[in-house]
Amino acid sequence: AQSVTQLGSHVSVSEGALVLLRCNYSSSVPPYLFWYVQYPNQGLQLLLKYTSAATLVKGINGFEAEFKKSETSFHLTKPSAHMSDAAEYFCAVSLLSGTYKYIFGTGTRLKVLA
Amino acid sequence: DAGVTQSPTHLIKTRGQQVTLRCSPKSGHDTVSWYQQALGQGPQFIFQYYEEEERQRGNFPDRFSGHQFPNYSSELNVNALLLGDSALYLCASSPFSADGRNYGYTFGSGTRLTVV
Repeated sequence: AQSVTQLGSHVSVSEGALVLLRCNYSSSVPPYLFWYVQYPNQGLQLLLKYTSAATLVKGINGFEAEFKKSETSFHLTKPSAHMSDAAEYFCAVSLLSGTYKYIFGTGTRLKVLA
Repeated sequence: DAGVTQSPTHLIKTRGQQVTLRCSPKSGHDTVSWYQQALGQGPQFIFQYYEEEERQRGNFPDRFSGHQFPNYSSELNVNALLLGDSALYLCASSPFSADGRNYGYTFGSGTRLTVV
């Protein structure tokens, strides 16, 4: 069965510090991987996606993620946290042709401390 | 360019009632998917519509049904509401892809359904 695991339901970082949000997937086939951000009372906004091109993917707002097949990981990073980064972040996987749904992780709430 | 529009934004219903949620996809998108996001959880796939037909369905009971119209807009209907149906319902649109892969959704802001 395919699944997505996000380690750490809550992560706190100081403003200006490195942000690292972890995502591991389980899939028997090469997946497409996504990171979405959700601000309070809003829908999900796409941050970045991996679709089997470059393994290091750059997204919006200074975020990037690296696909590591050997580790089945797709961790999200940002060198310097900003107060506006406080939100909930979801990792999602999309599988082979013919399966159109995403499987989402349970989310990581990022808190940025002044 | 309008994104995905959902209505209403909030809704309160009583157990046993029926509810209809509406979604207009992003311009240029012809595929609409619905997700349920319970409090503190990630979104769960309900179903996807393309060419006015349900293309794929997640693990939701038949009380959940949908429809897609010729203009690509969509409705989600839930019958015999249960307390456990309280959630944020997200509509997501995407363009059709010939290889069947999903290259990325555009999500709406959701409808917050509370069942009392």
